[in-house]
Parts: sequence; structure tokens; C-alpha cells
Amino acid sequence: QKEVEQDPGPLSVPEGAIVSLNCTYSNSAFQYFMWYRQYSRKGPELLMYTYSSGNKEDGRFTAQVDKSSKYISLFIRDSQPSDSATYLCAMANFGNEKLTFGTGTRLTIIP
Amino acid sequence: ETGVTQSPTHLIKTRGQQVTLRCSSQSGHNTVSWYQQALGQGPQFIFQYYREEENGRGNFPPRFSGLQFPNYSSELNVNALELDDSALYLCASSLGDSPTDTGELFFGEGSRLTVL
Repeated sequence: QKEVEQDPGPLSVPEGAIVSLNCTYSNSAFQYFMWYRQYSRKGPELLMYTYSSGNKEDGRFTAQVDKSSKYISLFIRDSQPSDSATYLCAMANFGNEKLTFGTGTRLTIIP
Repeated sequence: ETGVTQSPTHLIKTRGQQVTLRCSSQSGHNTVSWYQQALGQGPQFIFQYYREEENGRGNFPPRFSGLQFPNYSSELNVNALELDDSALYLCASSLGDSPTDTGELFFGEGSRLTVL
């Protein structure tokens, strides 16, 4: 079993829709949770960073963490074609030197 | 722009050869990490260097080695290349001792290695 599970998609939604992306994890030691966006032929870029259960909002993006269920989500409101990319969840232990990534979900926003 | 540049962007090698990939980080970023991203997969941690010393290693064999230099540049060396080494190799830098110290890893655009 992988430490981090993420549905690879692909996921296609119409412009303006709300997108929900999810990851589950098995390692209870994970304390830090991140979402990265990766455009084709580019490196990942950090979108959201959280370290506690609950919601964190930044513009059109909301990250949600439920440590009791070992489940994290990223919501994208008013989705735009420019949001089309692969979204990677990533997790880390406190003070750990490495990030453990999910497989990534490929998202396409249809104009 | 993340301030992390990698070279070369693409390269092709044959099985058994050796390869060196290079990375240049932002000034002041004492920590550099290397990740391997196979096609359709998430990045996998190879190792991390802090102030020129290896500071953690993932599940990769010893033929994967690295160096970090005082001028914020670093190298990833892979010996005895295998077909499964074909992947995008990502360099990432951060200010602190670990990614969780600063909340952000700055990734380069990667070096795409094809092993034939």
C-alpha cells in the first residue's frame, strides 16, 4: 500500500465549475500537507500549505485537512482554463527532510 | 520564476553509461533536494543536502550520488544507467533545514533523462 493515494484522473470539468481533488494517506506521522500544481514540462509550484486539521483559503483555492480520517482535499472555485494542470498532494513529517507525493491528478477545464 | 535552474533540459543516454545533472539555486538557499518523477507518477525523494552534507536519503541505490557546492549549485550523478532511470529529475531548494521549516520548496523545471 502506498503511503499517499491520489486518483490520477484524468478529470475534465466545464469552466466555472467547482473542482474537488482528494488524497488519502496511511502514515499518521504526517503533519504537514501541501498541494502543488504542475503544468506540462514545468516543475511543481506550491499552491497551498497547511499543518493542522481544518480549512485554509487562498483566493479561489481552499485546502481541507481531516487528520482523523487521514484525508485531504483541494477545492477550486470558479475554475478557469488556466487551472488545467496536474495537481499533486504532498506530505511531510515534522522536521522530516523529504516530501511524499501522491501520483497527481490531471485536471482539464473546458472553456 | 523560482530562481532554480537545471541543466541540461533533455538528454539521452544508453544503458550502462553515467550522467551528471546540474542545478543552480537561489542565493541563501542552503538546502537542496533531488526528486525523480517517472511518467505519470509523483516525484520520489532521492536525497537532500544541507550546507554540502547529505541530510537524508530516499530508497535509491548508491549509484545515485550527489554533491552540493558553496556557490548554491549542486549535482546529481547516476552511474550504470538502467532503463528504469528514464524520468524527469527535479531539483528543489529551500531556505531551512527541511521543507517544513519554510513551507516552500522551489522547484526547477527538471532534466528529462531518457535511457535507451
